[in-house]
Amino acid sequence: DQQVKQNSPSLSVQEGRISILNCDYTNSMFDYFLWYKKYPAEGPTFLISISSIKDKNEDGRFTVFLNKSAKHLSLHIVPSQPGDSAVYFCAASARGAQKLVFGQGTRLTINP
Amino acid sequence: DSGVTQTPKHLITATGQRVTLRCSPRSGDLSVYWYQQSLDQGLQFLIQYYNGEERAKGNILERFSAQQFPDLHSELNLSSLELGDSALYFCASTSSGNTDTQYFGPGTRLTVL
Repeated sequence: DQQVKQNSPSLSVQEGRISILNCDYTNSMFDYFLWYKKYPAEGPTFLISISSIKDKNEDGRFTVFLNKSAKHLSLHIVPSQPGDSAVYFCAASARGAQKLVFGQGTRLTINP
Repeated sequence: DSGVTQTPKHLITATGQRVTLRCSPRSGDLSVYWYQQSLDQGLQFLIQYYNGEERAKGNILERFSAQQFPDLHSELNLSSLELGDSALYFCASTSSGNTDTQYFGPGTRLTVL
């Protein structure tokens, strides 16, 4: 049972344009959501998070949007840079739970 | 650098063998989580320890076990290894016993031949 889904295995975007990565979840108990970025041969690096009491959180070029009614979140990267090329994982947790539930990841490639 | 360290970086072994993976959490963090990432898969939660005590269990096989020591480092023991155990194993740490934002180590790549 895949509670967190990233339906796009890969995404290719032109440098300078906006990258939009999507994530859907099924568990209505999830109330905290995170995005991690992973380069090859490295561990996931925390990028940005959002609590369910908000619908938007922004940090520099990264913005996460949460649509609770649709059980959907997205990560926007503007402008996209070559160093953004990596695999992006969304993750979710429920209050009181001890674990993060991860999506399958989306491989983002930024083309010059 | 997340502050979480894992050793070894790579491990190659044969089926039926036993290995131990080691993780040192960030300074001050009491909670350690272990995750497995198989080829092209997401990270699957295995187990969590908080201040030496097991706090939560995920999809961890009976052949696998873990512990957290008084100095807060953790070890993941994998025994009777099978080809399908080949994967990246990550540990993460947080300061509290709740999920919060987890900070990941660089991982151990296990190859079972």
